Amino acid sequence: AQTVTQSQPEMSVQEAETVTLSCTYDTSESDYYLFWYKQPPSRQMILVIRQEAYKQQNATENRFSVNFQKAAKSFSLKISDSQLGDAAMYFCAYRSAFSSDGNKLVFGAGTILRVKS
Amino acid sequence: NAGVTQTPKFRILKIGQSMTLQCTQDMNHNYMYWYRQDPGMGLKLIYYSVGAGITDKGEVPNGYNVSRSTTEDFPLRLELAAPSQTSVYFCASSPGTAETQYFGPGTRLLVL
Repeated sequence: AQTVTQSQPEMSVQEAETVTLSCTYDTSESDYYLFWYKQPPSRQMILVIRQEAYKQQNATENRFSVNFQKAAKSFSLKISDSQLGDAAMYFCAYRSAFSSDGNKLVFGAGTILRVKS
Repeated sequence: NAGVTQTPKFRILKIGQSMTLQCTQDMNHNYMYWYRQDPGMGLKLIYYSVGAGITDKGEVPNGYNVSRSTTEDFPLRLELAAPSQTSVYFCASSPGTAETQYFGPGTRLLVL
């Protein structure tokens, strides 16, 4: 079974600075998808960024980018120019590319990000 | 476009009571999911559906039931509520297997 590990329970960053959230995963599959979701205090799950394992190029979405290291099974999220609105719980998630278990998402335990003004 | 909607937002149940958590999506997605999130943890899959009339168990299905009579609706039923079912429940949908899942706002359930 696949597992996702987020080793940082909590991180802090100064407004306008850059922060990196870590995520590692374990799988024997070669094709899969990786996601970062943001969960603010409202509890809404918001997709931040998505990476297809077959793509070597790291995904970027405005101030958010990932460092995807397939051989190391590492998928970190970098947030540049941090803003107060970035404060939230961030979840790393894995999904198989094969149609098993309805392509469920496997989540890590999350990292709380605090942004200081 | 409302996306994925869930009702109620919050509910308190007594042990042994039953209730149905509602989930509706207006995006014509085939795939729908129910997850639960325990305090300080990531989400775990309870049940999923790949289309109307087709449902299957996820990681933590015990104590729950689902049905999928239409593409839009995917209700989650708790028959005999237990304190262990205190959690936040999220419904999600996606167009297909390779697509991103979109989440509803969640239902917070407290069983006392």
